[in-house]
This record gives sequence, C-alpha cells and structure tokens, in this order.
Amino acid sequence: ETGVTQTPRHLVMGMTNKKSLKCEQHLGHNAMYWYKQSAKKPLELMFVYSLEERVENNSVPSRFSPECPNSSHLFLHLHTLQPEDSALYLCASSQGAGSEQFFGPGTRLTVL
Amino acid sequence: GESVGLHLPTLSVQEGDNSIINCAYSNSASDYFIWYKQESGKGPQFIIDIRSNMDKRQGQRVTVLLNKTVKHLSLQIAATQPGDSAVYFCAENSDRGSTLGRLYFGRGTQLTVWP
Repeated sequence: ETGVTQTPRHLVMGMTNKKSLKCEQHLGHNAMYWYKQSAKKPLELMFVYSLEERVENNSVPSRFSPECPNSSHLFLHLHTLQPEDSALYLCASSQGAGSEQFFGPGTRLTVL
Repeated sequence: GESVGLHLPTLSVQEGDNSIINCAYSNSASDYFIWYKQESGKGPQFIIDIRSNMDKRQGQRVTVLLNKTVKHLSLQIAATQPGDSAVYFCAENSDRGSTLGRLYFGRGTQLTVWP
C-alpha cells in the first residue's frame, strides 16, 4: 500500500447523476493531485492542491469540481459528465518540490 | 508544452533476460526524473528516481541511466521476472523553485515477460 486510498474503486453513473470521488493520504504530505488516465494516453494532470489551496487547474471542464477540505483529504465532485469522461481517476500526494508522488489505486469511472 | 515520450509502446522479454525501457524528454531544464510501474488495476508505483547531477543510479535489480546530452532516460531491469510485467512510465520534473513536485508523464511502455 502506498498510503493513499481512494473510494470508490469503481463507479458507474449516468450523464445526469452527481457523484463524488474521495482520496485520503496518510503520509503527511502537503500537496495532492487529481489525474485522469485514459486508454493509450499519458496521465493528464487535472488539479493540484498545495496546503489546501488550488494552485493549478489544467483547463478542466467545469463539470469536474475539486475540493480539498484539509491536507489529508481531496474530493472530485462530478456532475453532468459525458461518456468521454470514462477513465481511471488517480489521486496522488507529494511533499515538496522534486519529490516523488505517491498514487492511490484509482477510481474506474464509467459514464453511460 | 514539454513532452516526455517513450520509444516503444510494447516490449516482450523472456523470463531471466534483462529488459531496457527507454524514454526521451525535450525539456533541457528538467532536473528530476522518476520511473513508475503500473500493474493492472493499480495506481503507478515508484520504482527509482534520478537527479540531473547524476548519470546512473542503481536499485534492487533496476538501474536508471540518464544521458543529458541527448535527453534520454532508460530503465534497465535485470533478470526480468513475470511479476515485472506492467506498464512503465517515465516522468520528469522541471519546476525549478516550485514548491510542488509537478510531474510530466510519458505514454508508457507495456512490458510483457514470457516463460
């Protein structure tokens, strides 16, 4: 285990549903990340939080809304998703610059 | 933006052989590199890293080589085992002075080990 947990592991939702992904890190890190991993594509960075403040938003559609209530928890709120949003959503955390990121197991999302 | 890519999308090796996975990067300011392994159904796991002031770093059965002249990174796995079958990603960090470890990932190479 990497010290980063994600729930749920699998999620199937319709385009009109609202759901949330949860990530928790037990490593005492000060930064957390959301990535999207689609088939045959590089990992796409979506959001970065440092000390609970969003410091990067990589032109992600507004139907994805992140929330970081404290340094250990990160959420990704989903609403009105499209089928092309189906992917593996990975959470990661790190401590400081130039250090490795620890990844959670991901949430496999399917949008019908 | 800067790109990090891999020369080959797939690599098949026989158990016991050595594996070499390659990665090219384009940002000459990159100063930190990581190799990750991702098994099916799991998130990426750290394998080994190297900073730009080094050319080589060894771990347990793995060696990373960095050639800054041609902006090339490689991962060598000795005595490859079936458990090494996975997708391998290289990632680079070039946020000098940043407080974050922002990483740029390559597409990944699928390593398959056959008996």
